[in-house]
Amino acid sequence: EAGVAQSPRYKIIEKRQSVAFWCNPISGHATLYWYQQILGQGPKLLIQFQNNGVVDDSQLPKDRFSAERLKGVDSTLKIQPAKLEDSAVYLCASSLSIGDEQFFGPGTRLTVL
Amino acid sequence: AQRVTQPEKLLSVFKGAPVELKCNYSYSGSPELFWYVQYSRQRLQLLLRHISRESIKGFTADLNKGETSFHLKKPFAQEEDSAMYYCALSGSQTGANNLFFGTGTRLTVIP
Repeated sequence: EAGVAQSPRYKIIEKRQSVAFWCNPISGHATLYWYQQILGQGPKLLIQFQNNGVVDDSQLPKDRFSAERLKGVDSTLKIQPAKLEDSAVYLCASSLSIGDEQFFGPGTRLTVL
Repeated sequence: AQRVTQPEKLLSVFKGAPVELKCNYSYSGSPELFWYVQYSRQRLQLLLRHISRESIKGFTADLNKGETSFHLKKPFAQEEDSAMYYCALSGSQTGANNLFFGTGTRLTVIP
């Protein structure tokens, strides 16, 4: 089966610009996760969806980050406006349901200049 | 609050030598512990989880609740084991059983 798809793979923007990332989970997976991985650190969960509802967004900087999964399938993560410290790899993962094995996408590497 | 500590950022061993990647955790309650691996140019993937008590690619990890450790071990390292390894935990305190990762250890197996 196809894995988790993410686009774009790389993005370079200037600070204060906006950027959006897209994720298509494995078919049939109800749970979708967005992680931020800063260089030298482990992935940190930003937001978790179960179908089209938010389960956990406690670590999402809501003043500039937003995410949606309107139809309970693919998802977008947006940053507006971007800051230098947002430079990171943004990983999307999906699982059959909460607590099941998570399968990760290839990630989007964001560089904010 | 939960914490996962991987004290070694870099670890080099010779092929055929034993390898141990250390992981210590702090958590109030009974967490589930995992090891994830990322090979060069590949995606992050689950290597093993403590509840399955399996050996994957020759790796094992035992949960030691007394020492709050979950070290990853392999008796004879192979070149293909070179990768980035992340220890992670989940539990009711991480929010909907979410994963909380350590900072990772880059293992290099020298031929």
